[in-house]
Amino acid sequence: KQEVTQIPAALSVPEGENLVLNCSFTDSAIYNLQWFRQDPGKGLTSLLLIQSSQREQTSGRLNASLDKSSGRSTLYIAASQPGDSATYLCAVRTGSSASKIIFGSGTRLSIRP
Amino acid sequence: SQTIHQWPATLVQPVGSPLSLECTVEGTSNPNLYWYRQAAGRGLQLLFYSVGIGQISSEVPQNLSASRPQDRQFILSSKKLLLSDSGFYLCAWSPGAGNTIYFGEGSWLTVV
Repeated sequence: KQEVTQIPAALSVPEGENLVLNCSFTDSAIYNLQWFRQDPGKGLTSLLLIQSSQREQTSGRLNASLDKSSGRSTLYIAASQPGDSATYLCAVRTGSSASKIIFGSGTRLSIRP
Repeated sequence: SQTIHQWPATLVQPVGSPLSLECTVEGTSNPNLYWYRQAAGRGLQLLFYSVGIGQISSEVPQNLSASRPQDRQFILSSKKLLLSDSGFYLCAWSPGAGNTIYFGEGSWLTVV
């Protein structure tokens, strides 16, 4: 059974710092991995999608890496800003029909001005 | 463009009452559809997903059920709500394997 874990559960850093969020999954047979952002009481916004054949994806100050064989992904945020404060979730697409999408429990990020 | 609608946005229901949350997707055909639940301060738990009309996969045994009466309609139901059913319910859709997933705005359910 696929399990997705995110560490740390919460993180608080001062503005301007670079930071790394971690995501691990138990079954390496995934189709893709996706990072999302969730603001309090809101739905999810997709940040980056990495296909299983890819090693990384970049969008602005965000860079996501994928090491499928070791079951790990990282989300790197450069030059953090208070507006980056949110919960970040990773999700893997898995299953025989590639239709099942399993989420981690998230990392609650707080950027201090 | 594709859009997803989910309602109601907020719901307060007594224990033992029925539940119906509805989700519709516009602008696409044969989407994969999903229902997730998020308890306070927790991640998203996959409840049900569907790859086609009448095809429902259940991930967590509980007193909830899902139905897909039309291609772009996904309904989450319960005959008798429990206090533990309280949470934030999110509907989502995906074009298919290898693609991203898009979420609705969510429905807050409080069982009292």
